[in-house]
This record gives sequence, structure tokens and C-alpha cells, in this order.
Amino acid sequence: EIVLTQSPATLSLSPGERATLSCRASQSVSTYLAWYQQKPGQAPRLLIYDASNRATGIPARFSGSGSGTDFTLTISSLEPEDFAVYYCQQRSNWPSITFGQGTRLEIK
Amino acid sequence: EIQLVESGGGLEQPGGSLRLSCVASGFSFSSYSMNWVRQAPGKGLEWVSYISRSSSTIYYADSVKGRFTISRDNARNSLYLQMNSLRAEDTAVYYCARTSSATVIDYWGQGTLVTVSS
Repeated sequence: EIVLTQSPATLSLSPGERATLSCRASQSVSTYLAWYQQKPGQAPRLLIYDASNRATGIPARFSGSGSGTDFTLTISSLEPEDFAVYYCQQRSNWPSITFGQGTRLEIK
Repeated sequence: EIQLVESGGGLEQPGGSLRLSCVASGFSFSSYSMNWVRQAPGKGLEWVSYISRSSSTIYYADSVKGRFTISRDNARNSLYLQMNSLRAEDTAVYYCARTSSATVIDYWGQGTLVTVSS
């Protein structure tokens, strides 16, 4: 099983700041890496797929990068609605997909 | 608007059974493969099962293999999960989730809570 490790577990920032979230895979997943946002009581929402492609309707302040084992989700300037939990997910060995444990982005 | 609406969750005793349903709208259900993904209270996400468009290909996570059965009815735009021999560790919110043509999970329902407890 491919294990995804996200860091940090919690990130405390203020609106307007830049957020950088990391996801490391236990083995190469090529670019088969997605990012999801989840707010309390809501379903996850797809933000980024295949490491760097924004999903439909996702604002340009969200960007993804990386390949192989190291990936980054960047939010260029935080909006109040961006404070949530973020998960990375790999589909390299579909259908045995796995998720990271999540990074909680909280207001400082 | 794409919608996935789950139902069927509730409280069940260990060893019992539940059947979850998911009704899809806003897209051509028969053209997409589907998944169940669960999330234990306060925990992360765990993929549970996958079914292809025609039901010809089905996969399960090892944690549920032999106990859970995924199925679909394209005429009713519906996805199902039959859960037998339930365990306390099956307690979670169960999400119905669509797979895009690129095998990306792109849309999720709001989830239904399953609690397994005596």
C-alpha cells in the first residue's frame, strides 16, 4: 500500500497569507496525485488532479506541483473560506487508492 | 447540477447488516464508474469499494472484502452498498463518489452516518 504523509498536521495562518501544504508518498506515484478540501460537516471537494490541474470552478489561487514522491498544494493568498482540512490522494495503483491523513488549515 | 444523495445509514449492532443507497442526478449515471469512501469520526478518508459503469469490474478494500457488496442500477440512477457482519470499526460516514473518465474521484455526496454499536 502506498502511504501518503502530509505536513504539517496543522497550519495556522492569517487571511491574505500564502499557504504551502506538503504531501509525500512512500513510493513514486508519478503525477497521479489529487488534492481535496473538506469543511466541517461537508463532503470533500476536488481541487487539484494529476498533481497540477485545477478542477472545474476552482479559483486560480489554488495551485499544485510535484511529481514522483513529493507534492505541494499552494494557496497564494488565503481567503476566509479557505480555512478547512486538506487531503492528498494517490491513484497510482488504481483502484487501491489511498489518502493522506490531512492538514488542518486554521485561522491564526 | 451534479448531485449524489446517500441514505440508509443508522445505528446497527455488531454482526448486523445495513444497505446504503445513493441516488445520482445531474449527469449520465450509466457513463461513470462509482465508489464508496468512508470517514470514521474525526479521522481521515478510506476508500471502500469501486464499481465500473456496467458492473463488470468490482473492487473492495481488504478491510471490507467478503462482508460488503457494491452494486448499481443504472435504470434507477442508483448505487448501493450492502454491508453485512458489521463491526465497530465500520462506524463512519459513508460517501458515494463519482469517478471521472481519468479515474479521478471528482464528485462526492454529503454522506450517510453508519454507527455500529451494541
